[in-house]
Amino acid sequence: ETGVTQTPRHLVMGMTNKKSLKCEQHLGHNAMYWYKQSAKKPLELMFVYSLEERVENNSVPSRFSPECPNSSHLFLHLHTLQPEDSALYLCASSQDTSVETDTQYFGPGTRLTVL
Amino acid sequence: GNSVTQMEGPVTLSEEAFLTINCTYTATGYPSLFWYVQYPGEGLQLLLKATKADDKGSNKGFEATYRKETTSFHLEKGSVQVSDSAVYFCALLTSNYQLIWGAGTKLIIKP
Repeated sequence: ETGVTQTPRHLVMGMTNKKSLKCEQHLGHNAMYWYKQSAKKPLELMFVYSLEERVENNSVPSRFSPECPNSSHLFLHLHTLQPEDSALYLCASSQDTSVETDTQYFGPGTRLTVL
Repeated sequence: GNSVTQMEGPVTLSEEAFLTINCTYTATGYPSLFWYVQYPGEGLQLLLKATKADDKGSNKGFEATYRKETTSFHLEKGSVQVSDSAVYFCALLTSNYQLIWGAGTKLIIKP
């Protein structure tokens, strides 16, 4: 197992459902990120964790709830989503959140469709 | 504020053609600059990066030079292949470790 993995790869859910996205990194990194990628829009940073502590939250609605139990795992818990939340959700990791070790490595993403 | 502007796609070229995808940025300070590539059905992969002015990043035949005077980081490749078809994203890393992304440029290479 290498790099950054995400499960599931595809998810369809209703607006009243509760689901979770999982990300796991096998790179020994200390920082992890959630991004939202919508069609024809720049990637949007949602959350940043460094050493399991949240260090950035870009005004994301509370229906998205992140969890970082350790430096290798990151979850995004979803509840009462809206159809406009349908997007590709990307997880990334980096050695740390300092500029000197700045390269982020991405997982393949979870394609989320909210009905 | 910080922003990244890329040329709109799709860019359609024939195999072995020369490629340029323009990227310009606005930023405070001296951000690191990146090109990421997203192949169909896959996640983002780092293609190359440059961390200071006049640095040239290169990988898989692609190159980009960090031009502070023109605030640009244009991606070039001398001879493209069908396998280069993908979406290319330019990005900068701010001093508080946020990646600011361009909207992406879809590249289509025809045999």
